[in-house]
Amino acid sequence: GESVGLHLPTLSVQEGDNSIINCAYSNSASDYFIWYKQESGKGPQFIIDIRSNMDKRQGQRVTVLLNKTVKHLSLQIAATQPGDSAVYFCAEKTSYDKVIFGPGTSLSVIP
Amino acid sequence: KAGVTQTPRYLIKTRGQQVTLSCSPISGHRSVSWYQQTPGQGLQFLFEYFSETQRNKGNFPGRFSGRQFSNSRSEMNVSTLELGDSALYLCASSLLGQGKETQYFGPGTRLLVL
Repeated sequence: GESVGLHLPTLSVQEGDNSIINCAYSNSASDYFIWYKQESGKGPQFIIDIRSNMDKRQGQRVTVLLNKTVKHLSLQIAATQPGDSAVYFCAEKTSYDKVIFGPGTSLSVIP
Repeated sequence: KAGVTQTPRYLIKTRGQQVTLSCSPISGHRSVSWYQQTPGQGLQFLFEYFSETQRNKGNFPGRFSGRQFSNSRSEMNVSTLELGDSALYLCASSLLGQGKETQYFGPGTRLLVL
């Protein structure tokens, strides 16, 4: 099957600090990118998306940055809370509309 | 609006058996995609259905198949189960499944093959 990498990076942050989760995507032709949050025992939940004609998009406490030159995506979470603890996945949508997910990053918030 | 539902939530099978999983999309959504999630391989795309037709397919063997009904509900089937098929199977729905459209995921079916 299609996938990117096997290792699940982990990130630990103090409650109240800002978190930055990074993702390298694979297809330079991808034109739509999504961040998902997956809590234990649940399916992925949509957080924020960005189109390839943008380099930044802000939501509530979250910001996504897109750097197409180096095929890099990042998710910034402001004032991280214990409820933000989860695995975060970036995903890219290819020209054939298949969604390819990154390996995920596990975020742990220290109270 | 009710979210994506999947049944059953948990399933235990033995090698060689076959299994059928069910997914009911959000009302009005016509695209249903299936994913396999394992600790080693992450989230991998299986296939996508739209208007009862398979529109996209991932790189999985023919033992994995699916279908979609006229009410957009979808089933996936795995025949001749192998130990490596143990995984969380996720279903996601979207309106049309094209372009810059958000997919909404169900809670998944956790399959254990013994």
